[in-house]
Amino acid sequence: NAGVMQNPRHLVRRRGQEARLRCSPMKGHSHVYWYRQLPEEGLKFMVYLQKENIIDESGMPKERFSAEFPKEGPSILRIQQVVRGDSAAYFCASSPNLQGPEQYFGPGTRLTVT
Amino acid sequence: GDSVTQMEGPVTLSEEAFLTINCTYTATGYPSLFWYVQYPGEGLQLLLKATKADDKGSNKGFEATYRKETTSFHLEKGSVQVSDSAVYFCALKPSRETSYDKVIFGPGTSLSVIP
Repeated sequence: NAGVMQNPRHLVRRRGQEARLRCSPMKGHSHVYWYRQLPEEGLKFMVYLQKENIIDESGMPKERFSAEFPKEGPSILRIQQVVRGDSAAYFCASSPNLQGPEQYFGPGTRLTVT
Repeated sequence: GDSVTQMEGPVTLSEEAFLTINCTYTATGYPSLFWYVQYPGEGLQLLLKATKADDKGSNKGFEATYRKETTSFHLEKGSVQVSDSAVYFCALKPSRETSYDKVIFGPGTSLSVIP
């Protein structure tokens, strides 16, 4: 059973470009979470999605950031017009259902904005 | 609101030393408690968990006991190895089963084990 997959593992963008990060949850998991980890800091929750629904986006910046989890295909975290402060590791996690306590993490995408 | 506090790092230990990383929490009811580990350049992996008071989670020589009276979930290992060098995150998930509540992570404690 493959784990949570994220791609790309490393992404370099120039200021003003768009970054698209993809996450495929574990098979059978319908809940996806995105986190951001800044250098030397802990994990910060960004958004929680189920298929075709955003459940909680309280941790996501109001501008430039968006997320989706379509009926088919991976979850996408999109950052428009990136700035240097967006440089971070972005982690996706999935869980099978609402009651399941633990989450399973992907290896992360390391975004560098030059 | 619910929160998790961990001892500040970095922690540096010699191989075979005893490890304790303190974790305390604030939450209503009976949350589930977790320790996650992040090795360099990787994502987080679940290390162990406990879902009710007095439960002991254990894995790979690590242990943590859910103490309701002290609201703590300290991580311990009797003899650390160089391969245990990583960042350790304490986390909780609130116990409200009828609605969504996100997992809350502590800030992480960096551990370095030297030969």
